Amino acid sequence: AQKITQTQPGMFVQEKEAVTLDCTYDTSDQSYGLFWYKQPSSGEMIFLIYQGSYDEQNATEGRYSLNFQKARKSANLVISASQLGDSAMYFCAMREITSGTYKYIFGTGTRLKVLA
Amino acid sequence: EAQVTQNPRYLITVTGKKLTVTCSQNMNHEYMSWYRQDPGLGLRQIYYSMNVEVTDKGDVPEGYKVSRKEKRNFPLILESPSPNQTSLYFCASTELAGGTDTQYFGPGTRLTVL
Repeated sequence: AQKITQTQPGMFVQEKEAVTLDCTYDTSDQSYGLFWYKQPSSGEMIFLIYQGSYDEQNATEGRYSLNFQKARKSANLVISASQLGDSAMYFCAMREITSGTYKYIFGTGTRLKVLA
Repeated sequence: EAQVTQNPRYLITVTGKKLTVTCSQNMNHEYMSWYRQDPGLGLRQIYYSMNVEVTDKGDVPEGYKVSRKEKRNFPLILESPSPNQTSLYFCASTELAGGTDTQYFGPGTRLTVL
């Protein structure tokens, strides 16, 4: 079963508008971490934001915020005031700790296109 | 500058010719990992290492080997590459004591196996 699900293969948003990228996860761990990464067309992976499972407040980093709903197991990324440079692939990821080892699981990604 | 480096960045090879992709980090991170990225599949973990001489299989380890003899280096070895290993490969490192366990990625290696 998929542990990280990103149901939106592609999305469009108008410049200066906000957009939400969906991510749901599945884990039986109590302690886990959730991440969002951006991959522009140049190919590098850029870390955007982190949310720990015990963090009570939603994480924010500039124009990025993570809408963390623990009971629903969702960790949606919200980008406010979209810019043309936000056009990229976005990956949601989870860090699990199993038998003392760390494993990272990624979703299949959402390709975002910002329209001028 | 804190970074993860990978070499080569691009490689075209033929089936069965052994190759090594190097990965090095200068942040003294304990944890290192290799991923492959394929269209529609996201990133999948191949192998990871919690520290020197400690390695373990990820979700797609078949056809790959790794070693961790030094903390900074984590090479990926393809003993007998096949066309289904054509992919974009990323190395990443993480400071386990850092609190967020954020991974820092190398620039990627695009491998084509003919």
